Amino acid sequence: QSVLTQPPSASGTPGQRVTISCSGSSSNIGSNYVYWYQQLPGTAPKLLIYRNNQRPSGVPDRFSGSKSGTSASLAISGLRSEDEADYYCAAWDDSLSGGVFGGGTKLTVL
Amino acid sequence: EVQLVESGGGLVQPGGSLRLSCAASGFTFSSYWMSWVRQAPGKGLEWVANIKQDGSEKYYVDSVKGRFTISRDNAKNSLYLQMNSLRAEDTAVYYCARDPGGAGTLILDYWGQGTLVTVSS
Repeated sequence: QSVLTQPPSASGTPGQRVTISCSGSSSNIGSNYVYWYQQLPGTAPKLLIYRNNQRPSGVPDRFSGSKSGTSASLAISGLRSEDEADYYCAAWDDSLSGGVFGGGTKLTVL
Repeated sequence: EVQLVESGGGLVQPGGSLRLSCAASGFTFSSYWMSWVRQAPGKGLEWVANIKQDGSEKYYVDSVKGRFTISRDNAKNSLYLQMNSLRAEDTAVYYCARDPGGAGTLILDYWGQGTLVTVSS
């Protein structure tokens, strides 16, 4: 069982907007930044969002992140077939003195 | 071009040891925190350990404390993970990743391709 809780699956049709939630606690999301990673099948994860809502260079602005209290969310607008992947949230946990990931959400583009 | 190349994975018996290496190139290795992240077959990501630029700070996930040791050699631009007392549940692809942030961050902006560790008799 992961420290950060994500829905196991999400889906949408091309062009739609989908959101993926990530729930934590005061020791992780509540007191530290949230990060989001995208993992395409058979590849290494890729940093999508850092420090709650910042996009690395090259990440389309269709991807956005937000955080409120002990929860965070990733929004993907203008959904495209190539967005079909696993998405993970992550944060540092002060109580564990370590990093924690969510269990991952498999996004299907219908 | 930033490159991270892991090596050292393979099949090992329960209770055995393995040393993973991660060769870094294309950036000033000594300026970055580095992390190991693993992924069991068909499962999600699990952060394993990270190490400060000069090796003076190291953090581990509870499940590997006392068994795994993260280290680095900045002269060789290399990151290591010494894994002892291996268990079946350590079976996973192990990724090394670069972190341009400071302590308590997970800005893993570059990842290697991963190396598979299989613990089985």
